[in-house]
Amino acid sequence: AQKITQTQPGMFVQEKEAVTLDCTYDTSDQSYGLFWYKQPSSGEMIFLIYQGSYDEQNATEGRYSLNFQKARKSANLVISASQLGDSAMYFCAMREGGQAGTALIFGKGTTLSVSS
Amino acid sequence: GAVVSQHPSWVICKSGTSVKIECRSLDFQATTMFWYRQFPKQSLMLMATSNEGSKATYEQGVEKDKFLINHASLTLSTLTVTSAHPEDSSFYICSARDTWTGYGYTFGSGTRLTVV
Repeated sequence: AQKITQTQPGMFVQEKEAVTLDCTYDTSDQSYGLFWYKQPSSGEMIFLIYQGSYDEQNATEGRYSLNFQKARKSANLVISASQLGDSAMYFCAMREGGQAGTALIFGKGTTLSVSS
Repeated sequence: GAVVSQHPSWVICKSGTSVKIECRSLDFQATTMFWYRQFPKQSLMLMATSNEGSKATYEQGVEKDKFLINHASLTLSTLTVTSAHPEDSSFYICSARDTWTGYGYTFGSGTRLTVV
């Protein structure tokens, strides 16, 4: 079974509109972390936002917010006021457990296209 | 924040030759480095986890004799693709735990390998 599921291969949004990118996860660990990364065509991985499994409040970072629904095991990324520069691939990722030596597991990604 | 410098950014090599990719942690000690491979428009797939001074742990299906990983110091991890073939053409990217935040991961800028 997939650990991270992103069901939207592509999303289209107009400038200044908000967009939600879906992510569901699967783990039996009580301690885990959820991440969102942006990958432009250059390939670099740009960290956007983090949510710990014990965090009670949804994480926010500027125009990015994470809609964390623990019972549903979902961690959707909300981008408010989209900009042309937001066009990129977006990955949801999870770190299972709290150990320092644990790698991130990535979803398949969602390609976001922002038009003017 | 923590920075991982990855070189080269891109490389073209002839089939049958070997290519070495380096990842250096510039302002922190990376006891663990994760190596990923990414095909175009696909997810990041974990290849192996390297720990300073010990043998790397490879994911199932990854040929350890083909993808040699060395983590000889706390600031340098290398991936050598031996006897490269066109099917090894891909984007390779390294990652380490971000000791500045304690929960995050910092990524190298990636290496685009093309085998002709």
